[in-house]
Amino acid sequence: GAGVSQSPSNKVTEKGKDVELRCDPISGHTALYWYRQSLGQGLEFLIYFQGNSAPDKSGLPSDRFSAERTGGSVSTLTIQRTQQEDSAVYLCASSSQPRGSGETQYFGPGTRLLVL
Amino acid sequence: GNSVTQMEGPVTLSEEAFLTINCTYTATGYPSLFWYVQYPGEGLQLLLKATKADDKGSNKGFEATYRKETTSFHLEKGSVQVSDSAVYFCALRGTGNQFYFGTGTSLTVIP
Repeated sequence: GAGVSQSPSNKVTEKGKDVELRCDPISGHTALYWYRQSLGQGLEFLIYFQGNSAPDKSGLPSDRFSAERTGGSVSTLTIQRTQQEDSAVYLCASSSQPRGSGETQYFGPGTRLLVL
Repeated sequence: GNSVTQMEGPVTLSEEAFLTINCTYTATGYPSLFWYVQYPGEGLQLLLKATKADDKGSNKGFEATYRKETTSFHLEKGSVQVSDSAVYFCALRGTGNQFYFGTGTSLTVIP
């Protein structure tokens, strides 16, 4: 596709269940980011992939959160044993540029997660 | 550490009014600075950026100047339109390629 896509667009789950969120970056983009947008909290960095490796996982809030990327393309963010405080919009972004200044990230529409 | 602080909203303006959304930052080293915009129902889009001190980013009539002496990157537009209604995020990219975003400022422009 032309842009970054994410699925599902909305997810409602019960507390304690596991969820998987998917991101399809722009074709050829080597860098991929996950962010969380909580109400009133702004955007929070979660994890950064360069190719299939994740040199920066410092934003993952707990060990219930994990992410992987395969084939240098699709990425999956998994949240285990979801809690109500995990409710947020999860945004994915990709970039074609290597590390350096002036990087442009292209964002997907986000997945809105609601944990009941 | 790195952080971004932007003015709280919501902001409501009449069409053709002047817009300023303040953004200040704290950073180690020499960050790049960005403004992102999120229109209703859409994802974030890059609006403009500046990579070094005194650079001015501009796009769609919006401007922001990277001021190292005041650690600021205020967003301005001389005459807003209804179509500018959105949430605006100030962000910095620091060393290690990590982005830090402000909390966002909601702008509503009324005819």
